[in-house]
Amino acid sequence: DADVTQTPRNRITKTGKRIMLECSQTKGHDRMYWYRQDPGLGLRLIYYSFDVKDINKGEISDGYSVSRQAQAKFSLSLESAIPNQTALYFCATSARQGSNQPQHFGDGTRLSIL
Amino acid sequence: TQLLEQSPQFLSIQEGENLTVYCNSSSVFSSLQWYRQEPGEGPVLLVTVVTGGEVKKLKRLTFQFGDARKDSSLHITAAQPGDTGLYLCAGATGSNYKLTFGKGTLLTVNP
Repeated sequence: DADVTQTPRNRITKTGKRIMLECSQTKGHDRMYWYRQDPGLGLRLIYYSFDVKDINKGEISDGYSVSRQAQAKFSLSLESAIPNQTALYFCATSARQGSNQPQHFGDGTRLSIL
Repeated sequence: TQLLEQSPQFLSIQEGENLTVYCNSSSVFSSLQWYRQEPGEGPVLLVTVVTGGEVKKLKRLTFQFGDARKDSSLHITAAQPGDTGLYLCAGATGSNYKLTFGKGTLLTVNP
């Protein structure tokens, strides 16, 4: 079983709809992240959470919200989806200790907004 | 905002050739990580470099961190089709060690 699981893997929806992407992890990590990946733009940080009570905006948080329901669960919501939010979304986790901890990524959610 | 510039953006070579991918910034990073991403999957860590001038080897891959900790390179010797993928560098900064990712280098190794 994957250590970082994202659901759904693919989603097609219409402009204006509310969408939730979910992420769960079995690694026991405190830190969780949401990124979006667009061709030619690399990975950009949307939100990150260093523990259940700590939520921080990343570089592109407008139009998104998150919820850290438990240490193992971190969901990303698009309250009213728009076409330029079409992208590949990744959840990642990392351990708390140390400055050089790697991030462990899920396999992504491909989101298309029509 | 700290930026990491990766070059080249695309690279298509024949099996057996050598290649180098560069990751450059005007900012100093506390550490730099290299990831590889295959289609349909998330990025997977290859290596972390921490000390200025550090060189790490992973089989046919050699990673170097610049003396000033502002740049890094990835050199692949005798590339194989299995090396095909998107290579991403990511720099860690600040007390919270957030990562800033480069835009990636898409490598295709043709048999």
